[in-house]
Amino acid sequence: SQQGEEDPQALSIQEGENATMNCSYKTSINNLQWYRQNSGRGLVHLILIRSNEREKHSGRLRVTLDTSKKSSSLLITASRAADTASYFCATVASGGSYIPTFGRGTSLIVHP
Amino acid sequence: GAVVSQHPSWVICKSGTSVKIECRSLDFQATTMFWYRQFPKQSLMLMATSNEGSKATYEQGVEKDKFLINHASLTLSTLTVTSAHPEDSSFYICSAPGIREFDEQFFGPGTRLTVL
Repeated sequence: SQQGEEDPQALSIQEGENATMNCSYKTSINNLQWYRQNSGRGLVHLILIRSNEREKHSGRLRVTLDTSKKSSSLLITASRAADTASYFCATVASGGSYIPTFGRGTSLIVHP
Repeated sequence: GAVVSQHPSWVICKSGTSVKIECRSLDFQATTMFWYRQFPKQSLMLMATSNEGSKATYEQGVEKDKFLINHASLTLSTLTVTSAHPEDSSFYICSAPGIREFDEQFFGPGTRLTVL
């Protein structure tokens, strides 16, 4: 089954710095989604990028998608301690089920 | 955005007992809901798709007799872990798709199950 793989597995930065997380996947997608999970909580949808889009912005978030490389990146600018969480990419395959498949996630720690 | 709730938030039970977890869509109807299991620092593993008014669809390797799913109404799906054992201890999360099924999922806050 298709699965997004995030890189790095863990990231530790200082407040104010930018955080970049990458996601790679294996087959054609309808869209790719990024979610955030605070410790012991459910997932919160952050942003969705469709296969025909290359870049999307939402506040301090910037997502890029390179379908030729089957990869996506999530950039969080001017990070805050409150951004500390795990971030997951999820891919929805094209021409098939709409159920997203999740990667293993990147654990982000932002030090105040 | 749409809200999905889960109850209970956490539960501790003795080995051999059964535990029921509820997943509710609070402000929308969900003909389909998904149940996931998540181990510490791991990804979400899809266990089953809950379908209102029909049988759930289980993923390969998930015991349907162990994890009973019922989707009795358009706003409620339940997962019952039967004869729970310590290895069933995990974080269980449900989700429901929005109006546009291929778009975002709305997740419940999760239920932490600990089996002693």
